Amino acid sequence: AQRVTQPEKLLSVFKGAPVELKCNYSYSGSPELFWYVQYSRQRLQLLLRHISRESIKGFTADLNKGETSFHLKKPFAQEEDSAMYYCALPVNSGGSNYKLTFGKGTLLTVNP
Amino acid sequence: DTGVSQDPRHKITKRGQNVTFRCDPISEHNRLYWYRQTLGQGPEFLTYFQNEAQLEKSRLLSDRFSAERPKGSFSTLEIQRTEQGDSAMYLCASSPSGRRETQYFGPGTRLLVL
Repeated sequence: AQRVTQPEKLLSVFKGAPVELKCNYSYSGSPELFWYVQYSRQRLQLLLRHISRESIKGFTADLNKGETSFHLKKPFAQEEDSAMYYCALPVNSGGSNYKLTFGKGTLLTVNP
Repeated sequence: DTGVSQDPRHKITKRGQNVTFRCDPISEHNRLYWYRQTLGQGPEFLTYFQNEAQLEKSRLLSDRFSAERPKGSFSTLEIQRTEQGDSAMYLCASSPSGRRETQYFGPGTRLLVL
């Protein structure tokens, strides 16, 4: 069965420090993974998806099929990065439905 | 604002009452999803619409829950005979056609059942 695991509920770093939010997945097909972010009092929004290979707000994520991981990284954290981060896996159960399976999320706090 | 909208944003009800939530997706999006999020958890899939057709329902969606999307535009999610365990954030998302397109989320409706 498909599953997304985010092992850390909380992660606290200082401004300017590197940050890595971990995500591991279990999926029998060819995975495509997303990172969604939710800033305080805002809606859930897409941060990045592995297929686009972009760097958004300084964040990158590489899909490692051998380790079944999709960790989110940023070399120098900023205070405005403080938010809840969710790793998500679209699962096709047939037809046009690509429902998302989410991890439990990691709350990142960047301290001044 | 042309994003996904949801109404109401908050709902407090007593156990046993019925509640209905509305979702207005981005206008050109024909796919619509409902998710539920409880404290400490990520969103969990409830149901999916392609235009007006409800194509999948999760086992989380008991027979007290019903969703509709008449005319393939807005959608409603109704919970009958609410229970305290129904207290959660109900999220709506929409996406355009296409393989694994990005889902755009609404602000959610927070339900509290007393």
